[in-house]
Amino acid sequence: KAGVTQTPRYLIKTRGQQVTLSCSPISGHRSVSWYQQTPGQGLQFLFEYFSETQRNKGNFPGRFSGRQFSNSRSEMNVSTLELGDSALYLCASSFLYDRSSYEQYFGPGTRLTVT
Amino acid sequence: SQELEQSPQSLIVQEGKNLTINCTSSKTLYGLYWYKQKYGEGLIFLMMLQKGGEEKSHEKITAKLDEKKQQSSLHITASQPSHAGIYLCGAGITGTYKYIFGTGTRLKVLA
Repeated sequence: KAGVTQTPRYLIKTRGQQVTLSCSPISGHRSVSWYQQTPGQGLQFLFEYFSETQRNKGNFPGRFSGRQFSNSRSEMNVSTLELGDSALYLCASSFLYDRSSYEQYFGPGTRLTVT
Repeated sequence: SQELEQSPQSLIVQEGKNLTINCTSSKTLYGLYWYKQKYGEGLIFLMMLQKGGEEKSHEKITAKLDEKKQQSSLHITASQPSHAGIYLCGAGITGTYKYIFGTGTRLKVLA
């Protein structure tokens, strides 16, 4: 079974631009979560989608948005990029995402550099 | 807010030595997950602990969750260079679909 895939793997953007990252979960997984990882803040939760619905969102500004399609693939968008948005963006999928227990499988990440 | 504290932040050990990484929460956890990350890459799921007192092992890595389900330890026996990386603990926040991670422990194993 193929793992979680993320595209692109690397991206360089300029301040003020917008960017869209893509995540394809493991086949059969309906939950997709997004995380931002930086050296200073560590791994931080962005949002989670299940069956095309955003169930929860982390403490990020409205410039960060996402969506999930009917095939469970997900995209996240960052508008008006800032230098501080430079980070590794990780996507994770899980089969059954309930509030008490679940396993998440992570993609390799997209390294975004904002200049 | 609920947080996961990991210690130590970094660790350098000689190959063959044993080591322990700790993950502590101020609140009861409903599931504690250990991951390993190579620099700049995604996280690899290692183990999941759910019951108080639970212990699991995989190859030379053993993870335990205390009875109160507030502290977990990850123990590596006879470390090897392949064990090097960043180890992170993670947990779901009760009543939400949010997930938090510990601060991470960077492990270096000297050959």
